[in-house]
Amino acid sequence: GEDVEQSLFLSVREGDSSVINCTYTDSSSTYLYWYKQEPGAGLQLLTYIFSNMDMKQDQRLTVLLNKKDKHLSLRIADTQTGDSAIYFCAEGSGGYGQNFVFGPGTRLSVLP
Amino acid sequence: NAGVTQTPKFQVLKTGQSMTLQCAQDMNHEYMSWYRQDPGMGLRLIHYSVGAGITDQGEVPNGYNVSRSTTEDFPLRLLSAAPSQTSVYFCATQFVDTQYFGPGTRLTVL
Repeated sequence: GEDVEQSLFLSVREGDSSVINCTYTDSSSTYLYWYKQEPGAGLQLLTYIFSNMDMKQDQRLTVLLNKKDKHLSLRIADTQTGDSAIYFCAEGSGGYGQNFVFGPGTRLSVLP
Repeated sequence: NAGVTQTPKFQVLKTGQSMTLQCAQDMNHEYMSWYRQDPGMGLRLIHYSVGAGITDQGEVPNGYNVSRSTTEDFPLRLLSAAPSQTSVYFCATQFVDTQYFGPGTRLTVL
């Protein structure tokens, strides 16, 4: 079946860039998503990218997609303490949510 | 607009007890789903519904029941709680290709 993998932990210094990586197996994925989960809260959609795109930029966030290697990354520029959270990568093959597959989440810790 | 709301926020059950986790939305989204979140495993789909009166099983449906009598509400029932059901439960709606999540219910089964 489909699988999405992420490293579980990442620590960065405040002001540095963070890069969170994700690999997926389903070549038919139509959309790839990044969600952010703050402590005690639900998942909040940060951004998503269509599978026919290579890059998407949204303020401090840059998403890069290497479809050949099935590799997705999220770069957060000028990381702040408020960025500390768990970041989930997810793939969707289009249609309803039963076609979403989530990764295990990467816990980002931002050190002062 | 409250979005997706879930009650209770926290619950402790004893093995064998039953309970219902509530989920409500005011966005008029047809699609709703329940996930459980376990450490290091991401979110796994329990049940979903594509509209009132229609439900179907996800990846991990055993031990859970759902019903969808209205567009707004999608309760999740645990018939006989087991320690393996200790988890954080999220309800979500979907519109087009974006899912909207509730704040979650943290359930502990002793």
